[in-house]
Amino acid sequence: AQSVTQLDSHVSVSEGTPVLLRCNYSSSYSPSLFWYVQHPNKGLQLLLKYTSAATLVKGINGFEAEFKKSETSFHLTKPSAHMSDAAEYFCVVSALNDYKLSFGAGTTVTVRA
Amino acid sequence: DAMVIQNPRYQVTQFGKPVTLSCSQTLNHNVMYWYQQKSSQAPKLLFHYYDKDFNNEADTPDNFQSRRPNTSFCFLDIRSPGLGDAAMYLCATSRGTMVSEAFFGQGTRLTVV
Repeated sequence: AQSVTQLDSHVSVSEGTPVLLRCNYSSSYSPSLFWYVQHPNKGLQLLLKYTSAATLVKGINGFEAEFKKSETSFHLTKPSAHMSDAAEYFCVVSALNDYKLSFGAGTTVTVRA
Repeated sequence: DAMVIQNPRYQVTQFGKPVTLSCSQTLNHNVMYWYQQKSSQAPKLLFHYYDKDFNNEADTPDNFQSRRPNTSFCFLDIRSPGLGDAAMYLCATSRGTMVSEAFFGQGTRLTVV
């Protein structure tokens, strides 16, 4: 079975400073990993995904994530936070022979002016 | 050019009165999922269809049922809503492979009065 752990339930940053959201995964097989963002009262939007190609994955809105097998991590970063980045972020995993997604608990990002 | 459409966006129903939420997709994806998301929590999978095959999660209450009359449409029926069923309900689709991301609708916010 696969699972993800988001290490921070809440991250607060100042506008223009870097954002780091941490995610560790557990999977018996080589996983596919995703980061989704959810703004209040909206559905989830895919930011980026890792599917065993390049370990550094670039996504939308300036986000990127690095897959590190040795650390079983898939942390999400952005060099400079914008006010519009304030939202809930979910790290998600799927694994071999299983197209169902397992969600982390989520990280709430607050951006201070 | 919305790809996964949920109707209505907001639904108010009376305690115990059956309610149906709808989801349609223009992506021709094999899999359609229904998730329940309560405040400040990750989405929780209720069930999904792979084509016409229905897959219920073990802990989904019998009060929740689903229909998929064709590839494009999927419905969530709540037979007797209780106050604890108030939540955001998210529909999602995917191609049904390990590397496929899920595409989410905007969600339906259900209030039970």
